[in-house]
Amino acid sequence: GAVVSQHPSWVICKSGTSVKIECRSLDFQATTMFWYRQFPKQSLMLMATSNEGSKATYEQGVEKDKFLINHASLTLSTLTVTSAHPEDSSFYICSASLGNAALVYEQYFGPGTRLTVT
Amino acid sequence: AQRVTQPEKLLSVFKGAPVELKCNYSYSGSPELFWYVQYSRQRLQLLLRHISRESIKGFTADLNKGETSFHLKKPFAQEEDSAMYYCALREYSSASKIIFGSGTRLSIRP
Repeated sequence: GAVVSQHPSWVICKSGTSVKIECRSLDFQATTMFWYRQFPKQSLMLMATSNEGSKATYEQGVEKDKFLINHASLTLSTLTVTSAHPEDSSFYICSASLGNAALVYEQYFGPGTRLTVT
Repeated sequence: AQRVTQPEKLLSVFKGAPVELKCNYSYSGSPELFWYVQYSRQRLQLLLRHISRESIKGFTADLNKGETSFHLKKPFAQEEDSAMYYCALREYSSASKIIFGSGTRLSIRP
């Protein structure tokens, strides 16, 4: 149980175009989803926290107009990279938080999406 | 400032040798500490959390509040332990964001 999927797993786009990445919790409802960015051989950097039905909370230094996050349902959050540039090329990972009666708030991670902007 | 520090980028040990991956943190509140592992070409997954006080795949980690450390240990390394390990923290028992360390790549030599 508690599987998180991402689509696509790999995308190449031209500079100036926009690309949407989906994050889905397959077998549970996630009240909170998180979006991370991971550069090669580096750690995960949190970009934003997304709660269903409300605006995302962005980390300092992350442009909210460039990285649009929508969390329309308890099982789906999307990250849209607008007007992508080569420096946006990275590995984008989402996680979904499962809160339960034990208040464990486990976070489950998706497999990631590799974005290459040419 | 909230921070997780993993001083070693790479740790290489022989199979059967003890392993210790270091993690230190700074946090003003009451933190919950985790170790995550990422095997080659697999997604990040939780290895263990300090509140569980359990041993997973032979690994243990004890939270030392005095030294603000949460080192990961295993007495006898196995080849399948080769992976990227991330120490992380968040506010205790909350759905808040997780802060990750920079990671340590553990390589087990046969």
